[in-house]
Amino acid sequence: AQSVAQPEDQVNVAEGNPLTVKCTYSVSGNPYLFWYVQYPNRGLQFLLKYITGDNLVKGSYGFEAEFNKSQTSFHLKKPSALVSDSALYFCAVRDYYGGATNKLIFGTGTLLAVQP
Amino acid sequence: GAVVSQHPSRVICKSGTSVKIECRSLDFQATTMFWYRQFPKKSLMLMATSNEGSKATYEQGVEKDKFLINHASLTLSTLTVTSAHPEDSSFYICSANGLAGRNEQFFGPGTRLTVL
Repeated sequence: AQSVAQPEDQVNVAEGNPLTVKCTYSVSGNPYLFWYVQYPNRGLQFLLKYITGDNLVKGSYGFEAEFNKSQTSFHLKKPSALVSDSALYFCAVRDYYGGATNKLIFGTGTLLAVQP
Repeated sequence: GAVVSQHPSRVICKSGTSVKIECRSLDFQATTMFWYRQFPKKSLMLMATSNEGSKATYEQGVEKDKFLINHASLTLSTLTVTSAHPEDSSFYICSANGLAGRNEQFFGPGTRLTVL
C-alpha cells in the first residue's frame, strides 16, 4: 500500500537553529513528493516538490528537501529557523494509482514550533 | 497565479439544514478539484475527487448523499452538506489541479463549518 509517514507529531527548535521535519514514503513506481505548510485556520500552501532530477530541491521561504531513494525519505530542512516558520507541515506523495487526477496521499502532519 | 478561493470562510448553521460551500479557481482552469475534511490537529481526509462535467468520485466511507459535490465548470466546484448534524462540524478544504505544467494541488483557504 502506498503511504507517507511523518514520525514526529511536533518538532521544537530555537530561532536561528537549523530545522528538519522528517518524511518517509512507500510507493509503487517513481515517487512524486510534495511538502505543504498550513498556518492556523488556513488552507495549505505549496512549499516544494520532487519529481525528477536533482535530489536536493529548493522551495519557498528558504526551505529545501532532500530526496533519498535508498532511505525512501524526503526530509524538509531549513538552515536557520524563524519564529514565523511555526506552522503545521504536511508531506505528500502522488497516488500512483490515481490516474491523471494527481490525487495526493498526505502524511499526518508535523507541528513545527520555533521558540524565540 | 494559481489562486483558489472558498466561500464562505466560516458558517454556522442549525442541525438539519443544508450548507453549500463554493470552491473557485480564480486564474486557471481546474480540470480536477478535491474536497478534504480536516479535524483539529489532524491530517487531511480526502472526501472526493471531482472532474468538470462528470460525477464526483467519493472515497470509501464518505456518504454521497450527505456530501453532494457538483463541478459545474472548470473554475467552480461546490460541496453541499445536506441535513447537517453537529458531527459534520469541521474544517473543509478544497484544492484544484490543472495548471499547465504543474502537478501539485493548489488549496483554498478552507471553510469552518459549525453545526449547532
